[in-house]
Amino acid sequence: DIQMTQSPPTLSASVGDRVTITCRASQSISTWLAWYQQKPGKAPKLLIYKISSPETGVPSRFSGSGSGTEFTLTISDVQPDDFASYYCQQYNTYPWTFGQGTKVDVK
Amino acid sequence: QEQMVESGGGVVQPGRSLRLSCAASGFSFNDYGMHWVRQAPGGGLEWLAVMWFGGTSEEYSDAVKGRFTISKDTAKSTLFLQMDRLRVDDTALYYCARKKTGFDLWGQGTLVTVSS
Repeated sequence: DIQMTQSPPTLSASVGDRVTITCRASQSISTWLAWYQQKPGKAPKLLIYKISSPETGVPSRFSGSGSGTEFTLTISDVQPDDFASYYCQQYNTYPWTFGQGTKVDVK
Repeated sequence: QEQMVESGGGVVQPGRSLRLSCAASGFSFNDYGMHWVRQAPGGGLEWLAVMWFGGTSEEYSDAVKGRFTISKDTAKSTLFLQMDRLRVDDTALYYCARKKTGFDLWGQGTLVTVSS
C-alpha cells in the first residue's frame, strides 16, 4: 500500500499568515493527489485535485504543488474560516490512502 | 440539488453484522465511482471500498477485505456497505463519497459503534 505522510501534525497560525502543509508518498503517485479540508462535525470538503487544480468555488488563497512523491498545500493568507484539519489523499493506486491529517489552529 | 444521505448505523456487538445505505439524489448515480470512507473517533480518514462506475468491479482496503461488501441498487440510486464480523476497531463515522474530480460530494456520515 502507498503510505502518505503528512507534516506537521499540528500547525499554529495567525490570520494573514502563509502556511504550508507537506505530504510525502511512499512511491510515485503521478498526478493523482488531492487535498481536503475538514471542520469538526462536518464531512471533508475537496479543495484541490490532480496536485494543483482547485475545485470549483475554492478560494484562490489555497494552492497545491509538487510532483512524484512530494506535495504541498499552501494557504497564502489564512482567514478565520481556514482553521480546520487538512488531509492529502492519493488516488493513483488501490487501496487509496489518506495522510494522517494536519490541524491548523489559532496561534 | 446533488446530495447523498447515509443511514443504517448504530450500536452492534462484536462479531455481528450491519448494513449501511447511502441514498443519492440529484445526479446520475451510475456515472461515478462510489466509495466508502470512515473516520474513527478523533482519528483521520480511512478509505474502505469502491464500486466502479457502471458497477463493473469493486476494490477494498486490506482492513475490510473479506468482511465488508460494497454493492448498489442502481434503480434506487443507493449504495450499500454490508459489514460482517464487525470488530471493536470498526467503530467509526462512515461516509459515502462520490469520485468526480476528487471526492467532490460526501454524505453527512452514519455512526457505527461496535461494543459488547
